[in-house]
Amino acid sequence: ETGVTQTPRHLVMGMTNKKSLKCEQHLGHNAMYWYKQSAKKPLELMFVYNFKEQTENNSVPSRFSPECPNSSHLFLHLHTLQPEDSALYLCASSHQDRATGANVLTFGAGSRLTVL
Amino acid sequence: AQKITQTQPGMFVQEKEAVTLDCTYDTSDQSYGLFWYKQPSSGEMIFLIYQGSYDEQNATEGRYSLNFQKARKSANLVISASQLGDSAMYFCAMREDNFGNEKLTFGTGTRLTIIP
Repeated sequence: ETGVTQTPRHLVMGMTNKKSLKCEQHLGHNAMYWYKQSAKKPLELMFVYNFKEQTENNSVPSRFSPECPNSSHLFLHLHTLQPEDSALYLCASSHQDRATGANVLTFGAGSRLTVL
Repeated sequence: AQKITQTQPGMFVQEKEAVTLDCTYDTSDQSYGLFWYKQPSSGEMIFLIYQGSYDEQNATEGRYSLNFQKARKSANLVISASQLGDSAMYFCAMREDNFGNEKLTFGTGTRLTIIP
């Protein structure tokens, strides 16, 4: 366990379904992120939340809808997705490393999404 | 233009040998940071090591070291005495300060396989 828990780990959905991905961290981090990882492509930042407020939306289509009810939980609501949205969706939270001052991401194990 | 380039899609290395994973970056910022993350088959990205652009010494963390050559804009990861558990995807990433909003850009990764 990395401290960031994502559920479900695997999800198969049709294009007309509505589903949600959940991310939870109890590390005391104040920033949370959604990344998309597709095969042979760099990780793509989707959304950033700082203290529950969205600070980044990286031109993500509206069929992806994030929700951050508190600093420990982050959701990604999915509706009317396309087959090209099939990917590994990674959640992360971040803290400032005391030794280096760097903002270090702690990732979850991801939710593998397949859209049929 | 790609900001992070990892030219080795895959590498095979004999156990106990040292391995160097290449990473070059492109930025016009004076202040930036470079990260390496490891992603085992289980999915979660694990933070390995960080180098700040103003750090004069190469970062080291156990068996990991970062060969930082600022003039060449390279930040290669060196793993000494490789182990079977080192088999994973390795991602180089760069932090740039974008008007106070930190963004992390990832490379496409290198798949490292350690051969017994």
